[in-house]
Amino acid sequence: DVKVTQSSRYLVKRTGEKVFLECVQDMDHENMFWYRQDPGLGLRLIYFSYDVKMKEKGDIPEGYSVSREKKERFSLILESASTNQTSMYLCASSLSSRDGLAKNIQYFGAGTRLSVL
Amino acid sequence: AQKITQTQPGMFVQEKEAVTLDCTYDTSDPSYGLFWYKQPSSGEMIFLIYQGSYDQQNATEGRYSLNFQKARKSANLVISASQLGDSAMYFCAMSEISNFGNEKLTFGTGTRLTIIP
Repeated sequence: DVKVTQSSRYLVKRTGEKVFLECVQDMDHENMFWYRQDPGLGLRLIYFSYDVKMKEKGDIPEGYSVSREKKERFSLILESASTNQTSMYLCASSLSSRDGLAKNIQYFGAGTRLSVL
Repeated sequence: AQKITQTQPGMFVQEKEAVTLDCTYDTSDPSYGLFWYKQPSSGEMIFLIYQGSYDQQNATEGRYSLNFQKARKSANLVISASQLGDSAMYFCAMSEISNFGNEKLTFGTGTRLTIIP
């Protein structure tokens, strides 16, 4: 069975703290993604990675960074957490298509609900 | 401009009735994919159905079908014989190639579906 695991379901942090959100997949997928989900805004892409040590900015990268040292693990880092980063964070992974768009389903973790106080 | 538009923030449907969730998209690329995901209250995103832009026939997966009207840029999800377990948020998404040639998804804002017994 496909498995994407996010390290925490709930997290409470203080303003200014450095926060790490971890995501691990066991499907040998090349692509991994971090989204945040806010009511009325849907899912917005923060960063994604298409290979080890490779990354690309999504639509809302400001205030975030990422790390992918191993194929199965993708970390989202909030360098200095702020209250406007209180949100649900979702990690996903998918196969990579080298021949244009294909049916590369993204598989999601259960999400991390982060509160920054 | 919004690339994926879901105009129904919420819907209430009687159990066993069919339901149509609307999705329109905007792209100038000839090659793209359209996805529908379900998000129950537990938070995990579940893939439901996929339609490729070159597919001639509408996609179907069990009780789910995708009404694909390419000229109108519409990809509505149809759920037949709704069940109480269908109560969830539903997201439409479109795959596209990033500026650096990597595949990513853009999501709509979602529709909250409530099935009434």
